[in-house]
Amino acid sequence: EVQLVESGEGLVQPGGSLRLSCAASGFTFSSSCMHWVRQTPGKGLVWISRINNDGSSTTYADSVKGRFTISRDNAKNTLYLQMNSLRAEDTAMYYCATARGSNTHFDYWGRGTLVTVSS
Amino acid sequence: DIVMTQSPDSLAVSLGERATINCKSSQSVLYSSNNKNYLAWYQQKPGQPPRLLIYWASTRESGVPDRFSGSGSGTDFTLTISSLQAEDVAVYYCQHYYNTPFTFGPGTKVDIK
Repeated sequence: EVQLVESGEGLVQPGGSLRLSCAASGFTFSSSCMHWVRQTPGKGLVWISRINNDGSSTTYADSVKGRFTISRDNAKNTLYLQMNSLRAEDTAMYYCATARGSNTHFDYWGRGTLVTVSS
Repeated sequence: DIVMTQSPDSLAVSLGERATINCKSSQSVLYSSNNKNYLAWYQQKPGQPPRLLIYWASTRESGVPDRFSGSGSGTDFTLTISSLQAEDVAVYYCQHYYNTPFTFGPGTKVDIK
C-alpha cells in the first residue's frame, strides 16, 4: 500500500524557516517524480514544486522561487521542502504527491501537514 | 500560465441522478505528438487529501467506480457522475499537467439535493 506521511507542521513567524518532510513507502520512491502542493481555503489547490526521480531537476512556482527548496533522499525514501523567508500568505496545508513522470498526473497524496505563518 | 476554470461552483443533485462538472483551460492541453490531453480530475472529501479519479482526460484510475467518467479534448472537459451516490459528496478539481506550473481549477462542490 502506498503511503506518504508529511511532517514538520508548525507555527513560524514571518521571515522564519521551516523544513517539511514526506516519508514514502509502498512504491519505488527512487523511480517516482514528487511534488509539493499547498491548499488554503481561499485559494484552493496550488502546485508549488516538483523534483524528478533522482533529484537532478527541480521546478518551482514563481510564488516560492528563491525561497523554497525541494530535495529528496532516495536512500531514506524521503522528500523534503525547505521553506525560508516565510510570509503570511504561505500559511496552508502542504501535501506531497507522487507522479509517474515529470508531466503526469498525481497518483497518490499524503494527508498533509499544516504550516502557519504568523506573529 | 494556463488558467483552469470550472463550472458550476457548486451543484446539488438527487441521489441516483447525473452530475456534470465542466472544466476549461485557457489554452489547449492536448499534446499533438502523442494525442493525449494532459488533464486530470481529483475528488476531495472534507478532512482528506485529493484523490485521483481520472487522468489523460478520460482514463479512470484503478478502483474508481465506473459511474465516474471524463471526456473532452483541447480546452473543454467534463467530469460526469452518472448516478450520484451519497459517498460522492465532495469537491471536485480539474488540473492540467501540460507544463509547469501545474494549475488546478477552483473546484466544484457536489451535494445531495
